[in-house]
Amino acid sequence: GDSVTQMEGPVTLSEEAFLTINCTYTATGYPSLFWYVQYPGEGLQLLLKATKADDKGSNKGFEATYRKETTSFHLEKGSVQVSDSAVYFCALSRPGGGNKLTFGTGTQLKVEL
Amino acid sequence: GAVVSQHPSRVICKSGTSVKIECRSLDFQATTMFWYRQFPKKSLMLMATSNEGSKATYEQGVEKDKFLINHASLTLSTLTVTSAHPEDSSFYICSASFPLGRDRGGELFFGEGSRLTVL
Repeated sequence: GDSVTQMEGPVTLSEEAFLTINCTYTATGYPSLFWYVQYPGEGLQLLLKATKADDKGSNKGFEATYRKETTSFHLEKGSVQVSDSAVYFCALSRPGGGNKLTFGTGTQLKVEL
Repeated sequence: GAVVSQHPSRVICKSGTSVKIECRSLDFQATTMFWYRQFPKKSLMLMATSNEGSKATYEQGVEKDKFLINHASLTLSTLTVTSAHPEDSSFYICSASFPLGRDRGGELFFGEGSRLTVL
């Protein structure tokens, strides 16, 4: 079945450091890929998405590129801020899957001054 | 923006009792809501898909009689954990699908989650 694997956390960075959170997936066909973010005390929010190979999703300085050849969707940000501290979830959905998402385990990011 | 609210955010109950968790879409009507369960250091696992006015569709391995889901209106879905036991302790999260045909149509919006502890 479908699965999503992402790096374990917590990831601790200093402010303005470069961020990479790895995500790889296993799925048949051509899934859509997502990154969700959960800030403390809040629900998951869609951060960015990509629906086909080589698409790049971007939002709030975060980027991720849909790489079918490596089945990856790594999240990157050039300069993190303390306010980026949150848990990040990689997820996929299948076409015709009725919005059902398969999630990774989540990666906690802590950004310190 | 679209808001989904869950209540309660935390609940502690005794083994054998039943607990109800509510999920509300506050500013939009959601024909479809989803219930997830999250174990420590594990993925969110989809438990069931809840459609307004019809029976929920449960994922394989989820006990229908243990986890009762009701979607009585376009803004409210409830999850009742019946005869709860310590192994039911977990973090339960709902999400609601934003109506198609509108900006951000089809996007999922999530509640804050409800932590259940069964003693």
